[in-house]
Amino acid sequence: ETGVTQTPRHLVMGMTNKKSLKCEQHLGHNAMYWYKQSAKKPLELMFVYNFKEQTENNSVPSRFSPECPNSSHLFLHLHTLQPEDSALYLCASSREGYGGANVLTFGAGSRLTVL
Amino acid sequence: QKEVEQDPGPLSVPEGAIVSLNCTYSNSAFQYFMWYRQYSRKGPELLMYTYSSGNKEDGRFTAQVDKSSKYISLFIRDSQPSDSATYLCATEENTDKLIFGTGTRLQVFP
Repeated sequence: ETGVTQTPRHLVMGMTNKKSLKCEQHLGHNAMYWYKQSAKKPLELMFVYNFKEQTENNSVPSRFSPECPNSSHLFLHLHTLQPEDSALYLCASSREGYGGANVLTFGAGSRLTVL
Repeated sequence: QKEVEQDPGPLSVPEGAIVSLNCTYSNSAFQYFMWYRQYSRKGPELLMYTYSSGNKEDGRFTAQVDKSSKYISLFIRDSQPSDSATYLCATEENTDKLIFGTGTRLQVFP
């Protein structure tokens, strides 16, 4: 497999459930990202990991918990979510910090619905 | 004021039309300007990017940056139904942190 792969593609969960989103990149990139995409809003950066160290947490509520065990894998653990957390969650990777434009490669996203 | 402003559309044009998609930005320190295309049920993919002011052409697509007016444009010539997608502009300050617009939904009908 190539590129950035996200699973599951669709997830429906209740407010008391615990679930996880998974992302895997096969591009040899050093940085991985979680973005939230909601209708008619810009992409919201949530977390950044560079060489599996978290370099940015964009004031994300603690009910979202990221995990990056290595440079190729990224998880987003979800717990006690709210209906307003329903959105498309996009994972991306890049060769960050090498100068030039930071070109992101995105996965297809995980569509989350919180009931 | 948002850092990057983009009209969400939708923009509907006939096949063969010239399409103009635009963004404005507020921070004069931005140096890289990008356009991503996002098809339905897919993630965004990079279409093209430019550094500083000027034009860049790639086939039917031309990206244009006017730093004096803080204006970013993407032109699509001879538009095709396969160009129907959401187009997101993005910019960065050479800090690796991208700022995205809301995206403009484009529909090209046969």
